[in-house]
Amino acid sequence: GAVVSQHPSWVICKSGTSVKIECRSLDFQATTMFWYRQFPKQSLMLMATSNEGSKATYEQGVEKDKFLINHASLTLSTLTVTSAHPEDSSFYICSARWVSAYEQYFGPGTRLTVT
Amino acid sequence: AQKVTQAQTEISVVEKEDVTLDCVYETRDTTYYLFWYKQPPSGELVFLIRRNSFDEQNEISGRYSWNFQKSTSSFNFTITASQVVDSAVYFCALAQGGSEKLVFGKGTKLTVNP
Repeated sequence: GAVVSQHPSWVICKSGTSVKIECRSLDFQATTMFWYRQFPKQSLMLMATSNEGSKATYEQGVEKDKFLINHASLTLSTLTVTSAHPEDSSFYICSARWVSAYEQYFGPGTRLTVT
Repeated sequence: AQKVTQAQTEISVVEKEDVTLDCVYETRDTTYYLFWYKQPPSGELVFLIRRNSFDEQNEISGRYSWNFQKSTSSFNFTITASQVVDSAVYFCALAQGGSEKLVFGKGTKLTVNP
């Protein structure tokens, strides 16, 4: 149980284009989903928290116009990196939890490379 | 402010050795939750355990055991008879009661050599 999927697992895009990453909870309803960014050999950096049907709450320093987050249903959240630049290249990980749980269940991550 | 410190950046052991990963946390809340996650080379974080601040009982699950001590603000993780498949980065994390956010430590990379 508690399976979270992400798609795509990796993506290469050209500078200036936009990329959408999907995060799905497969066997539970995710009242809250989280988006993280992880640089090589570093810990996870929380980018934003999203609750179903509400606007995402972004962490300080994260550009909300650049990283668009949508949590349209209890099983799906999307992260769109707009006008991507090489410095946006990173490993993006989503996680999800249900209302009574404190633990988060993580997706397998998406490796984004911007050329 | 909350903080999680994993002082061991990297640990290397030989298969069948026991290994302990240290985690020290800081929080002013009386209600909080502690977690351990495993991140194998594939990248996906795997949830291992959650402990709440009111439950100081140690826990054992197969070769894994956790020692929670509020007196020293520590939540250490021991792997007994380590195996090559245990090689991964292990993260300790903290959530304050009422908060959805996890605060992660920097992780400890464990390498188990055959």
